[in-house]
Amino acid sequence: AQSVTQPDARVTVSEGASLQLRCKYSYSGTPYLFWYVQYPRQGLQLLLKYYSGDPVVQGVNGFEAEFSKSNSSFHLRKASVHWSDSAVYFCVLSAYNYAQGLTFGLGTRVSVFP
Amino acid sequence: GPKVLQIPSHQIIDMGQMVTLNCDPVSNHLYFYWYKQILGQQMEFLVNFYNGKVMEKSKLFKDQFSVERPDGSYFTLKIQPTALEDSAVYFCASSLEGSSAETLYFGSGTRLTVL
Repeated sequence: AQSVTQPDARVTVSEGASLQLRCKYSYSGTPYLFWYVQYPRQGLQLLLKYYSGDPVVQGVNGFEAEFSKSNSSFHLRKASVHWSDSAVYFCVLSAYNYAQGLTFGLGTRVSVFP
Repeated sequence: GPKVLQIPSHQIIDMGQMVTLNCDPVSNHLYFYWYKQILGQQMEFLVNFYNGKVMEKSKLFKDQFSVERPDGSYFTLKIQPTALEDSAVYFCASSLEGSSAETLYFGSGTRLTVL
């Protein structure tokens, strides 16, 4: 069975500072990995995804993530956050055969202060 | 970007009654999903649906649950009868294709409270 762990439930950061959100996964095969974001009163939206190739993937709004097979990680980064980045961020795993759908982490709530 | 709409955003219902959660997926999408998130827990897969049929379902998709999309209208999740443990936020999603790398588009959820 697969699992996703986001160790930080909440992160507070000042506007303009850098941000890193951690994600560790457990899966015996090669996973497809996603970061989704949920802004207040909205549905989840895709930030970026990885399934092969360059381990650093670029997403929307200046976000990027780095896949590490050796560390079973898929951390999300942004060099300089804006107040509008305040949201809940979900790390998500999809197994190759898609059985049982997507596996979600608990999410990390990011609060950006001016 | 494409939007998935869920109606209503909140629903309160007495245990044992029937409830139908409605989802208006992205117009040209072919695959539809329901996920359940109990307060403080991870979002979990319930079911996916394609071409009028349930393709996969998890152990959370109890016999009291059913899904349908009659005539290309709303994609619905019906619970009959409801139980206290059905209280959760239910997220609908849709996608154009059903592959593992496909992007899902999610609604903002329906918070169901069973009293």
